[in-house]
Amino acid sequence: GNSVTQMEGPVTLSEEAFLTINCTYTATGYPSLFWYVQYPGEGLQLLLKATKADDKGSNKGFEATYRKETTSFHLEKGSVQVSDSAVYFCALEDSGAGSYQLTFGKGTKLSVIP
Amino acid sequence: SAVISQKPSRDICQRGTSLTIQCQVDSQVTMMFWYRQQPGQSLTLIATANQGSEATYESGFVIDKFPISRPNLTFSTLTVSNMSPEDSSIYLCSVGRGLAGETYNEQFFGPGTRLTVL
Repeated sequence: GNSVTQMEGPVTLSEEAFLTINCTYTATGYPSLFWYVQYPGEGLQLLLKATKADDKGSNKGFEATYRKETTSFHLEKGSVQVSDSAVYFCALEDSGAGSYQLTFGKGTKLSVIP
Repeated sequence: SAVISQKPSRDICQRGTSLTIQCQVDSQVTMMFWYRQQPGQSLTLIATANQGSEATYESGFVIDKFPISRPNLTFSTLTVSNMSPEDSSIYLCSVGRGLAGETYNEQFFGPGTRLTVL
């Protein structure tokens, strides 16, 4: 079956530090990959996505590249801000079976301190 | 895109009672999903609700405990039945696809319903 493994948290960084949150996946087909973000007290929001190998998703200074050879989709940001403090979820959607269900990783809590 | 609302936003319930959560979408969609997010955990899919057919439940979830309705293309309900403290979670609905010819290529999530069972 499909699965997503992401870096355990929590992660605490100083403002302007470099961020990497690792994500690897297992899928039977050719999935689309996503990063969702959940800010404190809010719902889930799509941060970025990539639908095929070598695609790079980017948004709000965050980037992630779909690496089929390493089955990875690591999230990076060059300079984090306090406002980036949130829980980040890596997810995949394997539409090959026609189900369009999302499989989520366990989430990584990021705290950015001034 | 799709805008999703859920009611109630939160509730505190007594053991043994049931709660029905409503999910309303601002456009017609073919597929709706219900997820559970237990405290400090990731999201787990409960079931897929397609209009005009029975919901499809994931392993570990049964219709008697989580009955779902999908009366039309913009609305769904999830009932948490005979609640126990272990049911305390955030319940989220999401939509994944529009009508034929309209694909979102992503899922949009509602704000969630925070349920506490005493």
